[in-house]
Amino acid sequence: AQSVTQLDSHVSVSEGTPVLLRCNYSSSYSPSLFWYVQHPNKGLQLLLKYTSAATLVKGINGFEAEFKKSETSFHLTKPSAHMSDAAEYFCVAKTSYDKVIFGPGTSLSVIP
Amino acid sequence: DVKVTQSSRYLVKRTGEKVFLECVQDMDHENMFWYRQDPGLGLRLIYFSYDVKMKEKGDIPEGYSVSREKKERFSLILESASTNQTSMYLCASSLQIGGLASYEQYFGPGTRLTVT
Repeated sequence: AQSVTQLDSHVSVSEGTPVLLRCNYSSSYSPSLFWYVQHPNKGLQLLLKYTSAATLVKGINGFEAEFKKSETSFHLTKPSAHMSDAAEYFCVAKTSYDKVIFGPGTSLSVIP
Repeated sequence: DVKVTQSSRYLVKRTGEKVFLECVQDMDHENMFWYRQDPGLGLRLIYFSYDVKMKEKGDIPEGYSVSREKKERFSLILESASTNQTSMYLCASSLQIGGLASYEQYFGPGTRLTVT
């Protein structure tokens, strides 16, 4: 069965320290992978996407993610957290024509 | 910029009422989607549409129906609202590039529906 797992439901970091949000997927196909961010009371916004080109993908606001096929992972990182990064983050896999699978989300808190 | 708009940000309805949630996108996207978002459950797909008058059930279609009479508009209908349909409803649209090609979804701001 196809699935997306986000290993942490909540992550808390201090401002200026690195961010790591973990995502693993399970799929029979080579997926397209996405990270979305949702700020409070807002819709989801695309941060970055992997589409079988470069395995290290750079997104907006200093975020990047690396696709590791051997580990079936697509972890999201940022070198230095900012207060405005506090939000909910969703890892998403698109594995076939119709199927898009959302992870359960990780809530990121940034402590001043 | 792609814009996806939803008719209401907040809505309060009574049990048994018929509820319409409207979504409009302005980028001529073929695909449109309705999700509901609940704490701890993430986003779950209710219905999607890949063309005018076409619709496909998602993972949780029970208690919902949809209508797509025009390409830019996708409506979600709760025939008889129940308290377990209290949720955040998100509409999205995407361009269909074809086959297994990747595409991103553009989301509206959401409608928070409370059924009392």
